[in-house]
Amino acid sequence: DQQVKQNSPSLSVQEGRISILNCDYTNSMFDYFLWYKKYPAEGPTFLISISSIKDKNEDGRFTVFLNKSAKHLSLHIVPSQPGDSAVYFCAASAGSNYKLTFGKGTLLTVNP
Amino acid sequence: GAGVSQSPSNKVTEKGKDVELRCDPISGHTALYWYRQRLGQGLEFLIYFQGNSAPDKSGLPSDRFSAERTGESVSTLTIQRTQQEDSAVYLCASSLSPRGFNEQFFGPGTRLTVL
Repeated sequence: DQQVKQNSPSLSVQEGRISILNCDYTNSMFDYFLWYKKYPAEGPTFLISISSIKDKNEDGRFTVFLNKSAKHLSLHIVPSQPGDSAVYFCAASAGSNYKLTFGKGTLLTVNP
Repeated sequence: GAGVSQSPSNKVTEKGKDVELRCDPISGHTALYWYRQRLGQGLEFLIYFQGNSAPDKSGLPSDRFSAERTGESVSTLTIQRTQQEDSAVYLCASSLSPRGFNEQFFGPGTRLTVL
């Protein structure tokens, strides 16, 4: 039973364009959502997060949108750069629970 | 380095052998986590340490898996009588505290292959 789903295994975009990565969740107890980025042979690194009391959080080129009624969040990267090419994981936690539940990841390729 | 380190980076073992994976968290981080990522899957939570105690072992897949932490620092994950389905990347993470949101910093992982 996958509680966090990333239905697109891969995404390819042109440099300078917008990348939109999607994530759906089923557990209504989740109230904190995170995106992690992972390069090959490295551990995931934290990118951006959002609390369920917000519907948008922005950090530079990265914006996360949360639609609680749809149990859906998305990560927007504008403009996309070749260095953004990596696997992006969506993760969620419930309350102040440390336990993160991860999706399977989406491989983003940004073409020069 | 100031990050989380793990050793070995790669481990190939034969089915039935025991393996030990090591994690050195960031100094001062009281919380330590082990995750596993099997091929094509997301990260699965295995166990969490607060200091040297493990209040949550709920993710350990079987009694062949155990972990300990000493000195509120290094942690070892031990897999006894390894099976082929144990093949995965084992990731360790640490954070300042488990309470509220504290970013988990991940190590590079240990890739375990059981032949």
